[in-house]
Amino acid sequence: RKEVEQDPGPFNVPEGATVAFNCTYSNSASQSFFWYRQDCRKEPKLLMSVYSSGNEDGRFTAQLNRASQYISLLIRDSKLSDSATYLCVVLRNRDDKIIFGKGTRLHILP
Amino acid sequence: SAVISQKPSRDICQRGTSLTIQCQVDSQVTMMFWYRQQPGQSLTLIATANQGSEATYESGFVIDKFPISRPNLTFSTLTVSNMSPEDSSIYLCSVGLWNSGNTIYFGEGSWLTVV
Repeated sequence: RKEVEQDPGPFNVPEGATVAFNCTYSNSASQSFFWYRQDCRKEPKLLMSVYSSGNEDGRFTAQLNRASQYISLLIRDSKLSDSATYLCVVLRNRDDKIIFGKGTRLHILP
Repeated sequence: SAVISQKPSRDICQRGTSLTIQCQVDSQVTMMFWYRQQPGQSLTLIATANQGSEATYESGFVIDKFPISRPNLTFSTLTVSNMSPEDSSIYLCSVGLWNSGNTIYFGEGSWLTVV
């Protein structure tokens, strides 16, 4: 089992819709969690960190479920500019290694 | 936050040659990482560049192929040696900031094409 797993998609979603991604991780000792966004032929950029209590930033909501070992990202009122690959990232506690999921591709359709 | 400059931003290289990628950070950081992202794939960690000691390589990556330097807390280089077309990839420098909230920042990447 991969340490961080994501549905690769693509998710094809009409503009204005709500879309949610999940990411599962296998190491229960993982410490920190993030969602990154990567546009085509660009470097990944931090979208948001994920906290145990859940956090929201505008149209984006991230949640962490430690018991089930998954994190989620919810995008409300999706925009064309949300089209990108969303990377789930886990900071592994025991050695400070950063583990990337393979990413979920999102296409917002006009 | 951290601003990371990488160069070259892109290059086309001949098979069998070597290329050194530079990474400059605008602040002192303890941990610098080098990643590779092959076309259509996710990021794969090559090594962790440690200041004052040898880099720590991940499984499948060796120092002879990817020598790394880390002379100080703001700079690192990655060399891709004896390149083959399979080395065509984007190479990304990354730093981890573990002070107020763990955050990872990336350079803009170096796109290498080996012909």
